[in-house]
Amino acid sequence: GAGVSQSPRYKVTKRGQDVALRCDPISGHVSLYWYRQALGQGPEFLTYFNYEAQQDKSGLPNDRFSAERPEGSISTLTIQRTEQRDSAMYRCASSLGTGGNTIYFGEGSWLTVV
Amino acid sequence: KNEVEQSPQNLTAQEGEFITINCSYSVGISALHWLQQHPGGGIVSLFMLSSGKKKHGRLIATINIQEKHSSLHITASHPRDSAVYICAVLPNTGTASKLTFGTGTRLQVTL
Repeated sequence: GAGVSQSPRYKVTKRGQDVALRCDPISGHVSLYWYRQALGQGPEFLTYFNYEAQQDKSGLPNDRFSAERPEGSISTLTIQRTEQRDSAMYRCASSLGTGGNTIYFGEGSWLTVV
Repeated sequence: KNEVEQSPQNLTAQEGEFITINCSYSVGISALHWLQQHPGGGIVSLFMLSSGKKKHGRLIATINIQEKHSSLHITASHPRDSAVYICAVLPNTGTASKLTFGTGTRLQVTL
C-alpha cells in the first residue's frame, strides 16, 4: 500500500481479554517495528522484524506480549490477558532495511483497557 | 538518565520567530532521525542524518557526531509548525536495529 496501515485504529477492551493489533507495512519494506507510546511520552521500542524473522524482542514488557510476521509482510502484535497499564498507542513502522533508512510510521492503534 | 535527551520540553513562539530544538545522546549511533508528531497523532519523518547538515524548506537539521548533539531549526515559524518534534537515534552497538526516542519537544507557534 501507499503507507503503513494499522488496524484497528481504536480498540476498547475489557481487562483480561486478548487483543490483536495488525500492521500492514509499505510493500517491499524489509524491516518492521512495533513501538508503544503513552500519552505525553516518546515512542518506546517493543520489537522488530527483518522479513519474517523477529530480530529483537527486548522491548516487549512481559510474556503477555508477542508478535509475529509469518510471511514477512503483515505483522500482528498480540496482548494476552490485557491489563489497564497496557492502555497506550501502539505504533508500527517500516523501512526498506535496517541502518540508515527512512522509517515510515503508521497512524497507530489506540488501545484502552477498561 | 535517558539515552536521548531533548530540550526544551515545551516551547512557545510567535509567528516568524527562529526556533531551535536540541537533542543530545549518549551512545554511538549510525543515524539520527527528526520526527514530527501532529496533534492528531501521526508521525512524519523530517530528516535522517549521519553527519553534517540537511535542509528542507524552512527546516534545517544539523548533527555533530563528536559532541553527540543535533539541532533542528525552523526559520520563519508558522502556526502550522505546531507539533511535537521527536529526536530518535539508531545505536550502532550490537546487532539490534532499534530507534531510541527522546520524549519530544512540544512546539506551539502563535499568531
